[in-house]
Formats: sequence, structure tokens, C-alpha cells
Amino acid sequence: DQQVKQNSPSLSVQEGRISILNCDYTNSMFDYFLWYKKYPAEGPTFLISISSIKDKNEDGRFTVFLNKSAKHLSLHIVPSQPGDSAVYFCAAGGGNFGNEKLTFGTGTRLTIIP
Amino acid sequence: DARVTQTPRHKVTEMGQEVTMRCQPILGHNTVFWYRQTMMQGLELLAYFRNRAPLDDSGMPKDRFSAEMPDATLATLKIQPSEPRDSAVYFCASGPDMRMFSTDTQYFGPGTRLTVL
Repeated sequence: DQQVKQNSPSLSVQEGRISILNCDYTNSMFDYFLWYKKYPAEGPTFLISISSIKDKNEDGRFTVFLNKSAKHLSLHIVPSQPGDSAVYFCAAGGGNFGNEKLTFGTGTRLTIIP
Repeated sequence: DARVTQTPRHKVTEMGQEVTMRCQPILGHNTVFWYRQTMMQGLELLAYFRNRAPLDDSGMPKDRFSAEMPDATLATLKIQPSEPRDSAVYFCASGPDMRMFSTDTQYFGPGTRLTVL
């Protein structure tokens, strides 16, 4: 039972354009959401997070949007750069374990075309 | 620059052999996690420790997998006997106590790529 879903395994975007990565979740106990970025042969690294009390969080070129009613979040990267090519994982936490235990999606491989 | 370290980085073994993967969490972190990355399931949580005590290992096949923390600086994941379907990348992560809804995060090691022939 996949509680966090990333339905697009891959995405290609032209350099300089906007990249939009999507994530859906089913567990209404989730109240903290994160995006991790992973390069080949490395572990995932934290990118940006959002608490359920907000609907938007911005950090430089990265913005995460949360739509609680739709149980949907998205990551926007503007403008996209070649170094953004990586696998992006959406993750969610909350409930009995607080933000400690995270449930991850299957990842979306983003390729930025120069 | 504090980092989670994992050894070995790569392991090739034959079916039926025992495999031990090691992790050194970031000093001061009291939660440790083991994940397995597969194409179909993404990052699956195998085991989760807080203050060296196992809290959740529901994602781990109990008959062949075991996870322990002999001390605060070492976490181990063992597979005995190993099978070809165990081939994957195994990640260790550590983090601070986030039960009070801290907005900190988990920090991942570089992973161990396991191939079981």
C-alpha cells in the first residue's frame, strides 16, 4: 500500500524553464512533507519541507506547494539548471511518530536538457 | 562537516551467504533508520531506532534480516541467508529526536550497493 505516490517516474525539462514535480498522499495523519534530491552513487539530501499549517514554502529557486484537501504537493524549480538533474523523492511524516518516521515515494527522475 | 558513513560501499556475494552492512550515525543524533531502495517501491523503511532501541521493523523480512545498534556509534543490518531478490541499495540515515514535531530532517549515508548472485 503506497501511501506516498509519485506517478511520474521521469520528467525532462529544458534549461531555464520551470520543472514541476508532483506527489500525492493518502494518509490524512501526515502533516509534514519534504523533498529530497538524490544524485547517482550518493544518498538522498534534504531539499525543502513544508508543514501542513502552510500552503507554500519557498527557498531560492525551489517552492513547495501543499493542497491538503486534495492530498497533493508539488515542487517547482524555477529556473531549471543542469545541476538539478537528479532523482527527487517526496516524503511525508506525522502521526504517532511525529516528524521522525518518514514515508517516501518512488521518486521522479528529472533531466534538465541544456 | 558531520556525515553518516556506511561500509562497505559495494558488496557482491553469492546466494546463501551472510551479509553485514554497517553505519556510523552523526554524533549526537539519537534516531537511526535503515532503508532499501528499489525501483518498484522507492525508499522502503526497514528498521527505525531511537536511543538504540528498535521502534519499528515492520518493513523488514524477519526470517532473514536483523538490525541492531551495539552502541550509539554503530548500527548494523544483517541478511542471513542472502537471496538474489535482496539485491538493492541499502541506506542508513540518522536524525535528531523529532517527536515534538521538529522541522529538522534525516541525513542519509552514501549507501551500500548489494548484489547477490
